[in-house]
Amino acid sequence: EPEVTQTPSHQVTQMGQEVILRCVPISNHLYFYWYRQILGQKVEFLVSFYNNEISEKSEIFDDQFSVERPDGSNFTLKIRSTKLEDSAMYFCASTGGAGGDTQYFGPGTRLTVL
Amino acid sequence: GQQLNQSPQSMFIQEGEDVSMNCTSSSIFNTWLWYKQDPGEGPVLLIALYKAGELTSNGRLTAQFGITRKDSFLNISASIPSDVGIYFCAGHPRLGSNYKLTFGKGTLLTVNP
Repeated sequence: EPEVTQTPSHQVTQMGQEVILRCVPISNHLYFYWYRQILGQKVEFLVSFYNNEISEKSEIFDDQFSVERPDGSNFTLKIRSTKLEDSAMYFCASTGGAGGDTQYFGPGTRLTVL
Repeated sequence: GQQLNQSPQSMFIQEGEDVSMNCTSSSIFNTWLWYKQDPGEGPVLLIALYKAGELTSNGRLTAQFGITRKDSFLNISASIPSDVGIYFCAGHPRLGSNYKLTFGKGTLLTVNP
């Protein structure tokens, strides 16, 4: 069964460093998302991406964040200068076209900022 | 922004018991989804609901999309130890291409064998 994959599973970085989190969405999906989950809290929406552009972003998704689909399979989230409060699980999700409302999540990347 | 209130926050039950949890919203959602999350893993979709009043089952799980489109519940019958985990409701308004999901805070389920 097709699934969303994410790498790395765990990323440790120093405050102020740049990180890139990678996702491979399900191959025929058209909409891509990043969500964040701080330990013990609910999953929060960061950004949605469709047709090579951001379709919506939350207030969490500030200028330090960017997303890119560099090729036909990868979808990345970059944090330019990490802060301690960026420590969280980051989930990528994807969904199909019209009528494909169900979002399928990847296993997540645990980001730890020291 | 849209808020989902999920209850209960946690449940401790004996194996074999039935479980019920629910979510309510201050605004209308046109899609309700129920996910289960194991520690260190991503949310796994259990049931998707697309129509008001819809009642859908997936094995021992049953979920309903409330008539008002502002609530949903999930029932688990005859619980087993592997049902342990955090259950999240999630919804989105399904307007155009906006599929941004709003999540509830989760229900932590513990099943005692």
